[in-house]
Amino acid sequence: DAKTTQPNSMESNEEEPVHLPCNHSTISGTDYIHWYRQLPSQGPEYVIHGLTSNVNNRMASLAIAEDRKSSTLILHRATLRDAAVYYCILRTYGGSQGNLIFGKGTKLSVKP
Amino acid sequence: GAGVSQSPSNKVTEKGKDVELRCDPISGHTALYWYRQSLGQGLEFLIYFQGNSAPDKSGLPSDRFSAERTGGSVSTLTIQRTQQEDSAVYLCASSLAGGFYYEQYFGPGTRLTVT
Repeated sequence: DAKTTQPNSMESNEEEPVHLPCNHSTISGTDYIHWYRQLPSQGPEYVIHGLTSNVNNRMASLAIAEDRKSSTLILHRATLRDAAVYYCILRTYGGSQGNLIFGKGTKLSVKP
Repeated sequence: GAGVSQSPSNKVTEKGKDVELRCDPISGHTALYWYRQSLGQGLEFLIYFQGNSAPDKSGLPSDRFSAERTGGSVSTLTIQRTQQEDSAVYLCASSLAGGFYYEQYFGPGTRLTVT
């Protein structure tokens, strides 16, 4: 799986939108972009994934650049519960490796 | 429905002892994964079971680590002759099937402390 680069940490105010960036300049055409997050003292949880088009679900939105070399996870209104480490992970279509490869992620702090 | 469960939630053991960690995946999930997370380290993959296929053991750090999955459901991770560097949170995850597409559901982890 290709490598991703994320900022080590970000801060947000409660009730404001948060844009978490991820760079993946070596992404291949068959790589899907997945996001997971890990709340304090919990296991990671799936957030969203996409290939080319922007994606929305109840948790977040994923905006993917036209050249696919970067993407942004958008939390529309941050809450204190969104304070977590967010991981951007590439997974190759048809890849035999089932496990996730986690980088260091972005630690998001949310201020009341 | 029930999520992935792990037991014990905490385990303290003396250096040199063997430990067994248990994972109960979500019912019907054919793929099961073990990861560990050490202080200051990221999440690292240990082993992957998919259905009746031979497990992918490529992430196991030494031959002191082994895992089995009985009846395609419950899994046990065994660490023999524990060392202090084995101290970590051991996380289990399951997914409906293996491969790139299916989201993984993680358990709460077992915190292992080797004294």
